[in-house]
Amino acid sequence: DAGVTQSPTHLIKTRGQHVTLRCSPISGHKSVSWYQQVLGQGPQFIFQYYEKEERGRGNFPDRFSARQFPNYSSELNVNALLLGDSALYLCASRVPWQGTDTQYFGPGTRLTVL
Amino acid sequence: AQRVTQPEKLLSVFKGAPVELKCNYSYSGSPELFWYVQYSRQRLQLLLRHISRESIKGFTADLNKGETSFHLKKPFAQEEDSAMYYCALSAYNTDKLIFGTGTRLQVFP
Repeated sequence: DAGVTQSPTHLIKTRGQHVTLRCSPISGHKSVSWYQQVLGQGPQFIFQYYEKEERGRGNFPDRFSARQFPNYSSELNVNALLLGDSALYLCASRVPWQGTDTQYFGPGTRLTVL
Repeated sequence: AQRVTQPEKLLSVFKGAPVELKCNYSYSGSPELFWYVQYSRQRLQLLLRHISRESIKGFTADLNKGETSFHLKKPFAQEEDSAMYYCALSAYNTDKLIFGTGTRLQVFP
């Protein structure tokens, strides 16, 4: 098992554009969470999805949205990109109801907004 | 407000020296506390959690509710311990992790 996978690995966009990031959880994992990690900071929680429903949302503007598909993969969408959206975006998956400590993180997608 | 504070951005020690990475938290209920580690060119991974009270790779962390701290300790640092360490908390049985800003540990030979 390759673990949590994310695509693309790197992405460069310009202000005002939109972006879609993708995450494939570990097989059998039904819960997916998204985090934003700005350089020099710890990861910040954006969303959690379980069984295709949003179960948690962090303090991010409505420009950020996400969804989960029947195969439990997930997409994070960001509209009207700002320079401050430049960050590493992490996806994490876990088997539900086995405690938060069983979250497994992907390698991240590095987004640069110019 | 829920917050995790790691006061040291960088901690440098020599091999064999004791290590203590500090973590303080602010949370209104009873949180779960964790330490995550990120080695060079690797993904973020769980190191240990307060509930299990276990020692991983020689590291231990004790939850002190009175001081709202969860410091990470190791009596004898090894070069392979060099990494970025993040303290994090979550409410019980939720996926939302609140991370500190991280401490980079450098262990010199």
